[in-house]
Amino acid sequence: EDKVVQSPLSLVVHEGDTVTLNCSYEVTNFRSLLWYKQEKKAPTFLFMLTSSGIEKKSGRLSSILDKKELSSILNITATQTGDSAIYLCAVAVSSNSGYALNFGKGTSLLVTP
Amino acid sequence: DTGVSQNPRHKITKRGQNVTFRCDPISEHNRLYWYRQTLGQGPEFLTYFQNEAQLEKSRLLSDRFSAERPKGSFSTLEIQRTEQGDSAMYLCASSSGTALNEKLFFGSGTQLSVL
Repeated sequence: EDKVVQSPLSLVVHEGDTVTLNCSYEVTNFRSLLWYKQEKKAPTFLFMLTSSGIEKKSGRLSSILDKKELSSILNITATQTGDSAIYLCAVAVSSNSGYALNFGKGTSLLVTP
Repeated sequence: DTGVSQNPRHKITKRGQNVTFRCDPISEHNRLYWYRQTLGQGPEFLTYFQNEAQLEKSRLLSDRFSAERPKGSFSTLEIQRTEQGDSAMYLCASSSGTALNEKLFFGSGTQLSVL
């Protein structure tokens, strides 16, 4: 059975801190790993990673995939209260009919002023 | 609005009733997904369409659940004889048929409460 495990499950930090969120996976037919941010309802796309060791960056957020260790990290530097959200890691796996995303439980991040 | 649209946003129903949700994907996207999310959990895959064809269904999708996408555009998810355990957020997502088609765009979901 495919597994996607995120840690920590929840985190409270002060504004300005740097945080690292972890995602590990055990899947067959790995295709890619994606990070989403979920604030209220709809998860919004952050990054998609397919190659090991190549950092993707967007502003204060960055992410990297390690296919050898079957894991990925999401870094947020100089956190702001607006970063408070649930961060979801998802792994796309190929199947006979195409592919599906398997999500982890998410990391709930709270950034306090 | 060119995003994924879901209706209704909230649905409260009594146990045993049938409910139907609608999803309108991004217009040029040919893939449509239904997920279910409960508190403290990530979204769980339910089913997936490519155009009008339902290509995959999770074992989570019991016989009481049925999904359609008759013309390859909008989709409906029906739950018959609802149970309290069906209470969840039902998320719809769509993606294009291009090389980066794992990138799903999600709607805001329909929150179902079964009393």
